[in-house]
Amino acid sequence: GIQVEQSPPDLILQEGANSTLRCNFSDSVNNLQWFHQNPWGQLINLFYIPSGTKQNGRLSATTVATERYSLLYISSSQTTDSGVYFCAVGENFNKFYFGSGTKLNVKP
Amino acid sequence: DSGVTQTPKHLITATGQRVTLRCSPRSGDLSVYWYQQSLDQGLQFLIQYYNGEERAKGNILERFSAQQFPDLHSELNLSSLELGDSALYFCASSVGASGGLTDTQYFGPGTRLTVL
Repeated sequence: GIQVEQSPPDLILQEGANSTLRCNFSDSVNNLQWFHQNPWGQLINLFYIPSGTKQNGRLSATTVATERYSLLYISSSQTTDSGVYFCAVGENFNKFYFGSGTKLNVKP
Repeated sequence: DSGVTQTPKHLITATGQRVTLRCSPRSGDLSVYWYQQSLDQGLQFLIQYYNGEERAKGNILERFSAQQFPDLHSELNLSSLELGDSALYFCASSVGASGGLTDTQYFGPGTRLTVL
């Protein structure tokens, strides 16, 4: 299957700082999504972004499909941004693969 | 609150047993997805149903099966349980059939399964 690598595995930020999370994948994909799992375990679907750039408030994501990576930007981080961010990729929606996640801790 | 409900919240059972996890999607959503999150395997997509029909299949074991009923709720059946099946099982729903393509998935709180 497609290999998905996320970096960094852990990130500690002061509130208000910006961050960039990276997702590298090993093959061409038609499906790439970013998810956030908060410290209480709740999962939220952030973006569907197999290519291009999208923005939603303080979060934005860019996928460069030809170079097989995606970036998730978090600006002016808040403590509520803490949790684990997952990237998931697939050739289509069938059988897509998750990375191991980036654990973010935003300190007040 | 995402509007997706899952029952039970916790389930403890023994190896070899069979359990059923239930998911009620948000009102108006036709797709239901099942995911497994374990320490060993991480997050895995298991299966998707759309309006009662299987739409996509991921890394779902043959011991596992799912269905979506006419009222759109879904059940995930896990049989011949093994220690390694201990995990958090999430259900998500979306309006359409494309999954992330055009529809945001809304996740339930999960069912934590412990196999002893």
